[in-house]
Amino acid sequence: SQQGEEDPQALSIQEGENATMNCSYKTSINNLQWYRQNSGRGLVHLILIRSNEREKHSGRLRVTLDTSKKSSSLLITASRAADTASYFCATAIIIQGAQKLVFGQGTRLTINP
Amino acid sequence: DTGVSQDPRHKITKRGQNVTFRCDPISEHNRLYWYRQTLGQGPEFLTYFQNEAQLEKSRLLSDRFSAERPKGSFSTLEIQRTEQGDSAMYLCASSLVWDSLNSPLHFGNGTRLTVT
Repeated sequence: SQQGEEDPQALSIQEGENATMNCSYKTSINNLQWYRQNSGRGLVHLILIRSNEREKHSGRLRVTLDTSKKSSSLLITASRAADTASYFCATAIIIQGAQKLVFGQGTRLTINP
Repeated sequence: DTGVSQDPRHKITKRGQNVTFRCDPISEHNRLYWYRQTLGQGPEFLTYFQNEAQLEKSRLLSDRFSAERPKGSFSTLEIQRTEQGDSAMYLCASSLVWDSLNSPLHFGNGTRLTVT
């Protein structure tokens, strides 16, 4: 079963605008990761935020984590047409000393030129 | 950077046939994962290996599915007596050794299986 729920399921914005995607989860986590997937391709890791971190930045990406609310958000600033993709959050739980990632259903982002 | 390689990229098979997929992880990675993804959904965990040991199998993995990683390097995923419900993208991923509790996964481009 998938632990994460993402909101919205689809998002369409104009190039240059900011895009915000949200992720909620159910159980305690070790870290939370965001991935991007272009159509028909594998997933590409974007950013990892540990359970004791609240905010992290990477280029145009900003991720927040609120463990009390069991939620995270991904902000993409100054969006570009090339950002069009599906974005997934994945929660990391530890099983037998190794992390297992459980993915949400994703947000389909479309950037209109 | 050779990345994670999966073969074949596409496989079309008839119901009831057996299929086998191969995954070559990044060479220094000792963790290898298999996920399955259907259209419009996120990847679902199937199984993972640490070196050659298979540490966990999802309940999604019926007896018709078997995965191996015989020498701790490449891995194979076999589906016996395929069913139409097996049609999906099968994704392989590997992760770096040094901080396995906080490691990103590196995914291959997947094998898309279509069962007719």
